[in-house]
Amino acid sequence: AQSVSQHNHHVILSEAASLELGCNYSYGGTVNLFWYVQYPGQHLQLLLKYFSGDPLVKGIKGFEAEFIKSKFSFNLRKPSVQWSDTAEYFCAVTPGGATNKLIFGTGTLLAVQP
Amino acid sequence: KAGVTQTPRYLIKTRGQQVTLSCSPISGHRSVSWYQQTPGQGLQFLFEYFSETQRNKGNFPGRFSGRQFSNSRSEMNVSTLELGDSALYLCASSALSGDYNEQFFGPGTRLTVL
Repeated sequence: AQSVSQHNHHVILSEAASLELGCNYSYGGTVNLFWYVQYPGQHLQLLLKYFSGDPLVKGIKGFEAEFIKSKFSFNLRKPSVQWSDTAEYFCAVTPGGATNKLIFGTGTLLAVQP
Repeated sequence: KAGVTQTPRYLIKTRGQQVTLSCSPISGHRSVSWYQQTPGQGLQFLFEYFSETQRNKGNFPGRFSGRQFSNSRSEMNVSTLELGDSALYLCASSALSGDYNEQFFGPGTRLTVL
């Protein structure tokens, strides 16, 4: 069965620290990859997406992610976090083809201490 | 453009009752997907509708059903409610169904089953 794994369930960082959140998926075919963020009390928002092309994608608020096909990974990075980045982050995959079925990871709760 | 709207935002029901949730997609979007979010299971795909047809279905019992109207608005229905149905139900809309699609999420309906 297709699945998405996020290795870190809860991450605590100080402001200005660098962030890397891991995401691995299990699906052998073409995939579309996404990172969503859910700020406290707000709805899910798209941070960035990968469909094809350059495996290093840049999203909003200084986030970027790298797709490594050989490792089935799509890790999220930010060089310097801010207190306002405190949120839950979800990695998601849609198997390629005529589907909008998003398969989500379990999420990573990030707390940034001022 | 207005975002995805969901009504009601909060709902309290008792076991055995049924409930109907509504989702209005972004204007011009023809695909609506539904997800269930719980602390234990995370975000799970329920089903997707595109042009009034169900395109995909997740692993949920038949008590969960949905439909889409000609104006792309969608409803989901849960019959014979169980305590475990307590969750945040999210709706997402997309212009199309398939590759290279980005889904936009609504604020969700918080369902509590007593």
